[in-house]
Amino acid sequence: DADVTQTPRNRITKTGKRIMLECSQTKGHDRMYWYRQDPGLGLRLIYYSFDVKDINKGEISDGYSVSRQAQAKFSLSLESAIPNQTALYFCATSDFFVDTQYFGPGTRLTVL
Amino acid sequence: GESVGLHLPTLSVQEGDNSIINCAYSNSASDYFIWYKQESGKGPQFIIDIRSNMDKRQGQRVTVLLNKTVKHLSLQIAATQPGDSAVYFCAESMEGAQKLVFGQGTRLTINP
Repeated sequence: DADVTQTPRNRITKTGKRIMLECSQTKGHDRMYWYRQDPGLGLRLIYYSFDVKDINKGEISDGYSVSRQAQAKFSLSLESAIPNQTALYFCATSDFFVDTQYFGPGTRLTVL
Repeated sequence: GESVGLHLPTLSVQEGDNSIINCAYSNSASDYFIWYKQESGKGPQFIIDIRSNMDKRQGQRVTVLLNKTVKHLSLQIAATQPGDSAVYFCAESMEGAQKLVFGQGTRLTINP
């Protein structure tokens, strides 16, 4: 969905490096989410935010942190990347009144 | 041994046939359900949703059926086309939870 953009689309990094993935949306939604997808698995929630001052941990938040810089921007950081964080990362947004989430194109992260 | 999660359930159908993708959800309190389609290299795309006060909802070539008694959700795709080849995920949420829980996904392959 072009309304939700993620940068970078692909990233290869080394163990121990700090990495930031960025998400921007033009849908005007209050809620933003970060998910991780591993091969053959569904989506697992890392962090979510219902507004700029609200940050919540998801089911797999260890090793990750987030920042909600504005309503339209939500970034995910890996403070010290490790190989098992190699995965596809998706950002999603939803409106306050509706649970439907709209996803970005994803970032493929490889940690060597 | 190999992780079960590496082997997505798969469904192969002939082009033009109807397909049915099934999903068993986990929480009897869930009251909102969504089907997403994920094509290779892309983020999940919303297909259709249904609330628990309904048993059936139809879209363009797609129908979602909900059986709350056995906690089962299905997605029917009529007259499948090559572009329907993708991984399909069901997701559930509970009013007030404001989060989606995703199933493992099913890979649909359309044979010419």
